[in-house]
Amino acid sequence: DAGITQSPRHKVTETGTPVTLRCHQTENHRYMYWYRQDPGHGLRLIHYSYGVKDTDKGEVSDGYSVSRSKTEDFLLTLESATSSQTSVYFCAISERQGLAEAFFGQGTRLTVV
Amino acid sequence: AQRVTQPEKLLSVFKGAPVELKCNYSYSGSPELFWYVQYSRQRLQLLLRHISRESIKGFTADLNKGETSFHLKKPFAQEEDSAMYYCALTYNTDKLIFGTGTRLQVFP
Repeated sequence: DAGITQSPRHKVTETGTPVTLRCHQTENHRYMYWYRQDPGHGLRLIHYSYGVKDTDKGEVSDGYSVSRSKTEDFLLTLESATSSQTSVYFCAISERQGLAEAFFGQGTRLTVV
Repeated sequence: AQRVTQPEKLLSVFKGAPVELKCNYSYSGSPELFWYVQYSRQRLQLLLRHISRESIKGFTADLNKGETSFHLKKPFAQEEDSAMYYCALTYNTDKLIFGTGTRLQVFP
């Protein structure tokens, strides 16, 4: 498996609280992605990064922010968690766009109560 | 907008039967297309990519630009093929977009 680790693996939080998920890679890949996986919706891109301090929005970015201050870390923050953000979150890394294979983390199961 | 469509949420077959998981995309240019697979309790992983024209675990997929399709096929399904399959697309940006997925169940 590619060196990609997500933390925490599971989290339960209350509505309105901030939450930060961490994705850490040891592959020195340029691209990093955050997806959420929901039944009936598959994987939807939240935000992605194409370099340190270079990020862009995906298709479901509302309510989420990201930061990438180092190549190896990509943080996803829910400023004020809502029940609709209950999901499984996946981080992925890729060496380059297009033809490159994306490697995925094991996922973080987030429950907002 | 670019989109990947997988019309079937669930596909159930018996062992030894042929399998075809459908994938259609909307993009006017030349996309790069992939199939990813997620086995139970495992990470999502790349199965194959169209540019490689390869066969992995007996699966093949051909890009049909006229029909904007990239269907995944296997002539004889095995029980260990049971998994969630996602078709994905990337184009002239840095985004990797996935379809909604198809769960394949192969019965003995």
